[in-house]
Amino acid sequence: EDQVTQSPEALRLQEGESSSLNCSYTVSGLRGLFWYRQDPGKGPEFLFTLYSAGEEKEKERLKATLTKKESFLHITAPKPEDSATYLCAVQGGSEKLVFGKGTKLTVNP
Amino acid sequence: DSGVTQTPKHLITATGQRVTLRCSPRSGDLSVYWYQQSLDQGLQFLIQYYNGEERAKGNILERFSAQQFPDLHSELNLSSLELGDSALYFCASSAISNYGYTFGSGTRLTVV
Repeated sequence: EDQVTQSPEALRLQEGESSSLNCSYTVSGLRGLFWYRQDPGKGPEFLFTLYSAGEEKEKERLKATLTKKESFLHITAPKPEDSATYLCAVQGGSEKLVFGKGTKLTVNP
Repeated sequence: DSGVTQTPKHLITATGQRVTLRCSPRSGDLSVYWYQQSLDQGLQFLIQYYNGEERAKGNILERFSAQQFPDLHSELNLSSLELGDSALYFCASSAISNYGYTFGSGTRLTVV
């Protein structure tokens, strides 16, 4: 069964303090690894898809990387508006996405 | 606006009742997915429809059912509601699944 574990559960940073979120996964035949951002009471917002080990993608202050067992979401010089829950999901043999429980990021000014 | 529309946004109902949640996918997307999100469980896959046909089933209770209509909108029916069914219910749609899903803003169901 496909599984996703995210760590830490919660992370509190000062504005400008860079850090990384971890997503460890087990999947039978990875078709894609996805990162989403979710604000309280709202639907997840798509950030990145990674398809193979070694792949990297960037968007503003966010950079996602992928290995055969885990993915990292690096946040460089975060701002308070980056505060949200970040969700990782994998897609294996079926089309469904299996999500981790997320990392709640708080960036203090 | 993500392009995926869910109604209603909020629903409060009593135990034992039945409710219907509605989802209109993004224009052109043939796949619709339903997810349940509770505080302790995270996002749990319920069911997927593709162009009117059931494609995959997850941890969906027998009290729950769904369908996708010819105009591609989908409905999730929840019956004999229990307190534990209180959660956020999300619909997502996709054209090509490994490009990722687009989620709606969800329906918050409260069972009292």
